[in-house]
Amino acid sequence: EDQVTQSPEALRLQEGESSSLNCSYTVSGLRGLFWYRQDPGKGPEFLFTLYSAGEEKEKERLKATLTKKESFLHITAPKPEDSATYLCAVQAIVSSGGATNKLIFGTGTLLAVQP
Amino acid sequence: DGGITQSPKYLFRKEGQNVTLSCEQNLNHDAMYWYRQDPGQGLRLIYYSQIVNDFQKGDIAEGYSVSREKKESFPLTVTSAQKNPTAFYLCASSIWEGQGLYGYTFGSGTRLTVV
Repeated sequence: EDQVTQSPEALRLQEGESSSLNCSYTVSGLRGLFWYRQDPGKGPEFLFTLYSAGEEKEKERLKATLTKKESFLHITAPKPEDSATYLCAVQAIVSSGGATNKLIFGTGTLLAVQP
Repeated sequence: DGGITQSPKYLFRKEGQNVTLSCEQNLNHDAMYWYRQDPGQGLRLIYYSQIVNDFQKGDIAEGYSVSREKKESFPLTVTSAQKNPTAFYLCASSIWEGQGLYGYTFGSGTRLTVV
């Protein structure tokens, strides 16, 4: 069964204290992996798409990396405005060799950055 | 600006009542999705539609119904058969192609509460 697991469930950091969030996945074939940011009471906002192992993407203080079994979202010198829930999702290749656009989501990591 | 509009933002339902959540997009996306989000459970797929007049059940379709009469609109009805409807409902849309890798654009969500 295709599955996405995120850890930790919650993370509290001091402003400027760098850390990483983990997304491990089990799928029959990975088409791609997505990272989203979600603020309380709002819909998820797209951050990154990663397609293949070894790929890296950066945006401001965030950097996402991908291996064959997991992805990391590195947060460098975070600020209080980085506080949010970060969601990981994967798109799997179906057995026929095609792709389904259905995304499988993890439960998210709730990040709190204190000033 | 293109985007997805969900309404209402808050909705209260009495026991035994059907309610309909609205989702409209002007992104010209082919596919639309409905997710339910509960604390600690991540996003769970209710229904999705790839083209007009066609839709498929997701993982938790029981007690819900949808229609897709127009490309721009994908309303979700929460029926009285849904025993635990209190949740945050998210609508999303994406381009749909069998071999493509396309992320979702999300709406801002509707919080449904049973009173």
